[in-house]
Amino acid sequence: QVQLVESGGDLVKPGGSLRLSCAASGFTFSDHYMTWIRQAPGKGLEWISHISRTGSDTDYTDSVKGRFTVSRDNAKNSLYLQMNSLRAEDTAVYFCTRGGRSTSRYWVYWGQGTLVTVST
Amino acid sequence: EIVLTQSPGTLSLSPGERATLSCRASQSVNSDFLVWYQQKPGQAPRLLIYGASTRATGIPDRFSGSGSGTDFTLTISRLEPEDFAVYYCQQYGTSPPYTFGQGTKLEIK
Repeated sequence: QVQLVESGGDLVKPGGSLRLSCAASGFTFSDHYMTWIRQAPGKGLEWISHISRTGSDTDYTDSVKGRFTVSRDNAKNSLYLQMNSLRAEDTAVYFCTRGGRSTSRYWVYWGQGTLVTVST
Repeated sequence: EIVLTQSPGTLSLSPGERATLSCRASQSVNSDFLVWYQQKPGQAPRLLIYGASTRATGIPDRFSGSGSGTDFTLTISRLEPEDFAVYYCQQYGTSPPYTFGQGTKLEIK
């Protein structure tokens, strides 16, 4: 079955950096776009980035452009999110997600999430 | 960017009752590209409905979606105890960013 397992969340100071990872299994990773979605504590959901099957195409929400970089390693079935210049408002649970067989624009499969806390 | 507004913010009902949740878009959602998710505390969201009205795999038929254009509805015909959760709508009819509503909390009365 499809499994997505995030890791790398931590407490980091404002201006710091963090790299999140997502280990995928149970499907052909290279066949699917992958997406990061986050949820601030007690708040709603926010789409932040996606990456195409080969990694050649990426997109970001405005609030993270220039600070976050999504990447993937299809040989390792892994998705990454490099987060730089972190701000307090980046504090959230970060979910790694995958769409259905024929879509990348809504998400059937979700990891359990990893918590990023940006604070002094 | 399409803004989705969900109402009510909180809905208090009893098991066995009917729940009607609303999602209104700031502009028409292309081809009714709207989904609904359910989220329970400490868990990831679960896809319920896509294409505004198609149930996802394994979703009970007490859940139904309807609507088009700018007004969409999620209906739960007879509430079960496990249905009390937060519900989010999300549109995917435009280029990214794909946007979510702010959520409706369905609580036990």
